[in-house]
Amino acid sequence: DGGITQSPKYLFRKEGQNVTLSCEQNLNHDAMYWYRQDPGQGLRLIYYSQIVNDFQKGDIAEGYSVSREKKESFPLTVTSAQKNPTAFYLCASRPGVGSYNEQFFGPGTRLTVL
Amino acid sequence: LAKTTQPISMDSYEGQEVNITCSHNNIATNDYITWYQQFPSQGPRFIIQGYKTKVTNEVASLFIPADRKSSTLSLPRVSLSDTAVYYCLVGVPSYQLIWGAGTKLIIKP
Repeated sequence: DGGITQSPKYLFRKEGQNVTLSCEQNLNHDAMYWYRQDPGQGLRLIYYSQIVNDFQKGDIAEGYSVSREKKESFPLTVTSAQKNPTAFYLCASRPGVGSYNEQFFGPGTRLTVL
Repeated sequence: LAKTTQPISMDSYEGQEVNITCSHNNIATNDYITWYQQFPSQGPRFIIQGYKTKVTNEVASLFIPADRKSSTLSLPRVSLSDTAVYYCLVGVPSYQLIWGAGTKLIIKP
């Protein structure tokens, strides 16, 4: 089965702690993305990567960090510098060629700061 | 970056055709129009994409007039399972898309 997996589905964090959200894809896609979604809102881009070992900041990168050491994996770390991290986090991927804006999304991780 | 305007919510009934219109007055020459569907607590799902005129797939149709300043997503014979939020996005590439709040579509029996 090809697709994108995110883990965990729910994550609770104490203030001041860093947490890492996992995103794995077996679609052989070049580009990967991280988004944040707040209740009743659209998605906001945190980071994206178009190729292994390269990534770029999106619109709301402050307080987040990523790595792209393997094509299949694009983990997101939410650091203690992120002042309001409670949100729904979505990972997506896109093939390097083909439909310009067709992204494939994972099931999401809901992060709650206690 | 092209900004879109779409209704906040819509209601319809099972078996009806639903049309959701999106306004994008400042669309650029290279921009594509893309629609996604999202169910609660799930990731969005790509529905359809187009540049001009009409595009149809097994799920929906997308109508784009000649001036490209608006587009209409058409869902034929909706069912309860089509209740979701629908996003209209304009632009290219993907990392420059702006996601608004979308249109919350509620299908009634």
